[in-house]
Amino acid sequence: GAGVSQSPSNKVTEKGKDVELRCDPISGHTALYWYRQSLGQGLEFLIYFQGNSAPDKSGLPSDRFSAERTGGSVSTLTIQRTQQEDSAVYLCASSLGGFGTEAFFGQGTRLTVV
Amino acid sequence: AQSVTQLDSQVPVFEEAPVELRCNYSSSVSVYLFWYVQYPNQGLQLLLKYLSGSTLVKGINGFEAEFNKSQTSFHLRKPSVHISDTAEYFCAVSYASGGSYIPTFGRGTSLIVHP
Repeated sequence: GAGVSQSPSNKVTEKGKDVELRCDPISGHTALYWYRQSLGQGLEFLIYFQGNSAPDKSGLPSDRFSAERTGGSVSTLTIQRTQQEDSAVYLCASSLGGFGTEAFFGQGTRLTVV
Repeated sequence: AQSVTQLDSQVPVFEEAPVELRCNYSSSVSVYLFWYVQYPNQGLQLLLKYLSGSTLVKGINGFEAEFNKSQTSFHLRKPSVHISDTAEYFCAVSYASGGSYIPTFGRGTSLIVHP
């Protein structure tokens, strides 16, 4: 597609369940980022993939969070045993990589844990 | 490490008035600077960026920003705002060399334009 696509757009889950969030980056973009956006907290970096390099997982808040990127394209963010504090908008972005390149964002997945 | 401070969480302004959204950054090395805009229920899109050259950068929708190295600032301005400018604005910084490509974002400033 023309832009970054995220699915689902909205997800309501019960506390303790696992969820998977999907991101389809722009074709040809080697860099992929996941951020979490909470009200009044701005964008919190979660994880970064660049080509075939090992991902930078330094932003993942706990070991309940994990992500993978298959074939250098689609990425899945998995949250295990969800907690209410995981409720937020999860944003995915991709770029050509390299310093100063623009990040293109998807519309996000709004996750609500009840 | 780098960080971004957006001093105002909310800026109310009347239509056709000028506006300035403030952004300060801290970094021990050279950086690139960005402003992104997020309209309601949408993802972020790039307004403008500073990489090098002229310190005054012009972006889309009539916005501009000025890079001030001595004050480590990158304030966003528009001489006359429109109702449609109501949105969340994010300042971001990334390394210009070394380090990683990962942009660090500020907490955002909500621009509210009143008729």
